This record gives sequence, C-alpha cells and structure tokens, in this order.
Amino acid sequence: GAGVSQSPRYKVTKRGQDVALRCDPISGHVSLYWYRQALGQGPEFLTYFNYEAQQDKSGLPNDRFSAERPEGSISTLTIQRTEQRDSAMYRCASSPTGRLAGDNEQFFGPGTRLTVL
Amino acid sequence: AQSVTQLDSQVPVFEEAPVELRCNYSSSVSVYLFWYVQYPNQGLQLLLKYLSGSTLVKGINGFEAEFNKSQTSFHLRKPSVHISDTAEYFCAVRNTGGFKTIFGAGTRLFVKA
Repeated sequence: GAGVSQSPRYKVTKRGQDVALRCDPISGHVSLYWYRQALGQGPEFLTYFNYEAQQDKSGLPNDRFSAERPEGSISTLTIQRTEQRDSAMYRCASSPTGRLAGDNEQFFGPGTRLTVL
Repeated sequence: AQSVTQLDSQVPVFEEAPVELRCNYSSSVSVYLFWYVQYPNQGLQLLLKYLSGSTLVKGINGFEAEFNKSQTSFHLRKPSVHISDTAEYFCAVRNTGGFKTIFGAGTRLFVKA
C-alpha cells in the first residue's frame, strides 16, 4: 500500500517568502508528526496531531511556524517570512494509533528539502 | 526530559565484518528505545524496538540490539555486514507515557568491499 507522501520534495524560496509543506499520511492513521532535520543531525520534533487536534506544538521554533490537519488526514506545515536558518529537511510521520500507545511505530515520509536563499 | 547520544558519527567497516553502533540515553522515566535506518533519499525506517521483556531485541536485516538499563545503553550490532547496509542509523527514545520521540544525531555506516 501507499506510504507517507510529502510534497514538494524540494523547495527553494527566497528569504521573506511564505512556504507550505504538505504531508499525506497513511490512510486511517490517527497520529501525525512533523520533524525538522538539519544536516548531520537527527530529526527534531516540531508538532503532533491526534486526528485533527494539534495536541503538542512545543517544538515549533517560533510563531512563524504553524501546522494544521483540518480533516484529520492531510497536514500542512506553513512557514511565514522564511529565513535562511529555516533551511532543513522537513519530515512527516504517521502512526496507526493515538498518543496513549507510546510504543506505536512511526512511518516516515521522504521529506521536503527546504532551501531559503 | 530525555536525550540520546550516539557516540560515533561515522563508522567505516569492511564487508562481512561485525559492527556495533553505540547509543546511550538519559531519562528520569521509563522509556521505549528504537533504532531507525535511513537510506539515501528515503524516509526513516524502523529497524527494531525495545518495549519491555527480553533485553536482546532482534530486528530486520539481521540487526539486533541489547538494552542495558544499568549503563543506559542500547547498542546496535550485526555479526556480518553487507554493502547494502551502508546508510545512516538513528537511535531514538520515547517515554512510555508519551508520543514525543527524541532522536540521536545519527551514525553513518560505510561498508567497504
């Protein structure tokens, strides 16, 4: 079956522009996570959705970053007024169960490579 | 809060040799432990996980890991590596009551012919 997909795979933008990154999780998956991965580092947690509810956004670096999952399926991560330091790989993951199942496996998408010039 | 330290950023090894990728974690609460592999241009894929029970965990592709609570370690091992094992490997931890996964910085494994 289809895995987690993300689009675009590559995004180059100029400083100050807004960008929207899309995540299409595995069908029926309850949990959705966004991570940011800098070069040479592991993924860093940004935010978590349980269905459409954003239950944790403690990892979002500042108020230029926001995320939504309005129908409990596709999610969008939006970065406003991008800065060069926002350049990174942005990864999405989904899990079949909710937050109480701490051992649930996360299935990762291929990521969106964002470059801010 | 939890943290993960992967002690080696790069590990070169010859094909068919054994390999160990080291991982240490810190946490004040009970945790689940994971190893993920990332092949070039692909997403992270779960190799294995420790939830409870036997401290020796077997995963896909012949990998295994041993949970050592006293040393707070979860080292990954494979007795004989293949060229196709060349990838980046991430150790991760999550507290048993939550969902936020903390990843290490990764270890790049190079398998040479």
